[in-house]
Parts: sequence; C-alpha cells; structure tokens
Amino acid sequence: QKEVEQNSGPLSVPEGAIASLNCTYSDRGSQSFFWYRQYSGKSPELIMSIYSNGDKEDGRFTAQLNKASQYVSLLIRDSQPSDSATYLCASRTSYDKVIFGPGTSLSVIP
Amino acid sequence: DAGITQSPRYKITETGRQVTLMCHQTWSHSYMFWYRQDLGHGLRLIYYSAAADITDKGEVPDGYVVSRSKTENFPLTLESATRSQTSVYFCASSDQDRIYGYTFGSGTRLTVV
Repeated sequence: QKEVEQNSGPLSVPEGAIASLNCTYSDRGSQSFFWYRQYSGKSPELIMSIYSNGDKEDGRFTAQLNKASQYVSLLIRDSQPSDSATYLCASRTSYDKVIFGPGTSLSVIP
Repeated sequence: DAGITQSPRYKITETGRQVTLMCHQTWSHSYMFWYRQDLGHGLRLIYYSAAADITDKGEVPDGYVVSRSKTENFPLTLESATRSQTSVYFCASSDQDRIYGYTFGSGTRLTVV
C-alpha cells in the first residue's frame, strides 16, 4: 500500500472554475502535510502547508485537512491556465520521513 | 546567489562510469536531501543528511554514495552508473525543524547510455 495516494489525473477544469485535488495518507501519526506544484521540466515548489484539522487559505488556494479520515485536499479557486501543472501531496510521517504522492496532473482549459 | 543550486543541469554518461552530481545551498539549512523522480514512481528519497558528517539512507540508496563535509554542500555520486539510474535528480534542503517543507533545486537530468 502506497503511503500517500493521489489520483494521477489528468484533471481538466475550465478557466475560472474550482479545481479540487485530493490526497489520502496511510500513517495515522502523520502531523504535517504539504502541497507542491511542479511545472513540466521544473522542480517542485511548495505552495501550501497544513498542520491542523480544518481549512487554511492563501490567496486562491485552500488546503483542507481531515485527520480522522486521513484526507488532505487542495482547492484552487478561479483556476487559470497558469495553474496547469502537476500537484504533489506530501506528508511528514510519524517516523519522521516526508513521503510524496505520485502527483495529480491538472489542466486548466481557457 | 542565494538559494539551492544543482550542477550540472544535464549529464550524459556511459554505463560503468562514476559521476557526481553537485548540490549547494546558501541558507545554512541543517537538512539536505537527494531525490530521484521517475515516471510511475514519483519522488523517491535516495539519501539525506541531518547535518555535516551525518548522512542516512532513504528508500532507494543502492548504487549511490553521499558525503557532507560542509553544511552547504551535499554531493551525490553514482559509483558505477547503470541505465536504471537514468532519471531526474533533485536536491532539497530544509531548516532544522523541517516544519515548513522543503526547497528544491532545479534538478539534474542524468542519462546513462
């Protein structure tokens, strides 16, 4: 069983819509969670981190964490073509390793 | 320049040759990491270092060697390159608490022929 799972996509949304990216993790002791954005041919870039249950907002991005369900999500409001990228979910496990999911490819259609 | 830099950006080498990938960071971050990224496998940790002279294996360490004599440098050496080591290699760093996530270098695309 993979420790961090994501739908590989591709997820396609029209410009201006809300993109919803989901992630589940297997280690119930995980405490820190991260979303990275990776453009094709580029390195991952940290866009959000979340540590407590609930929502955390930063501009057009909202991260949501539900530890009981072991579920993390990233919402992108007013999606733009420039948001087209692969989004990596990561968790810092109870044994102090950061595990990355395989990533979800997002395509925002103009 | 401040940040984390990797060199070279691209490298082609022959099977059996030794090759070293360089990573340098200017933040004095305690932790440094080497990942490889392959289609179908995502990011996989090769080695990491908690401080100078302290290194530890990650998920896929076989065939790789690291050293960290100075805080700012963390080179990765492929002792005898194999075609299965063709990949994109990313170096990353984080502060001592590691609660703010990692910052990645721009990557090295390595092709072993």
